[in-house]
Amino acid sequence: DAGVTQSPTHLIKTRGQQVTLRCSPKSGHDTVSWYQQALGQGPQFIFQYYEEEERQRGNFPDRFSGHQFPNYSSELNVNALLLGDSALYLCASSLKGQPQHFGDGTRLSIL
Amino acid sequence: AQKVTQAQTEISVVEKEDVTLDCVYETRDTTYYLFWYKQPPSGELVFLIRRNSFDEQNEISGRYSWNFQKSTSSFNFTITASQVVDSAVYFCALSFSGNTGKLIFGQGTTLQVKP
Repeated sequence: DAGVTQSPTHLIKTRGQQVTLRCSPKSGHDTVSWYQQALGQGPQFIFQYYEEEERQRGNFPDRFSGHQFPNYSSELNVNALLLGDSALYLCASSLKGQPQHFGDGTRLSIL
Repeated sequence: AQKVTQAQTEISVVEKEDVTLDCVYETRDTTYYLFWYKQPPSGELVFLIRRNSFDEQNEISGRYSWNFQKSTSSFNFTITASQVVDSAVYFCALSFSGNTGKLIFGQGTTLQVKP
């Protein structure tokens, strides 16, 4: 039973570029959440998708956007990258009433 | 304000010692959920436990135990007879929508267990 898978594992971009991160939820899960974890910090909630719609959003600018596909997989897009966007991006999937399961994350470095 | 505070940044113990990780939360809501997650070097957050605000019973699972006290807004985590494999970053988190809602994490406590 595959858990939450994220791609790519690592990514290096330069300021001003755009990036897309991908997440496949655990089998049977229909809700996907994205978190940003800066070095030495706890994860911060970006947004959550359910039924292909953004249901909740954290305190992140509009440069951060997402999408959920009919197969429940999800993408996180970040435009106009800033140095401060360097972080580990974690995807979590869940099914109502069940705990969130996290992937290993994508480590994004901005030069 | 809704906030989780883990005042201990790093803890170092010798194998077989008991260790307690502290978690203090702030909320004005009466219904909420508290979690502990473990983050090994691989990066994946591993779910350990969830408690809801109406259930103050302490819980024990093998070497792990949790002490939830609403009077002090604390949800502490104790590892008995620690092992090297327990070395990781541990996060306490708060949610208002059961298991699937937005999680508010603390800063994390890095636990190092030395052989």
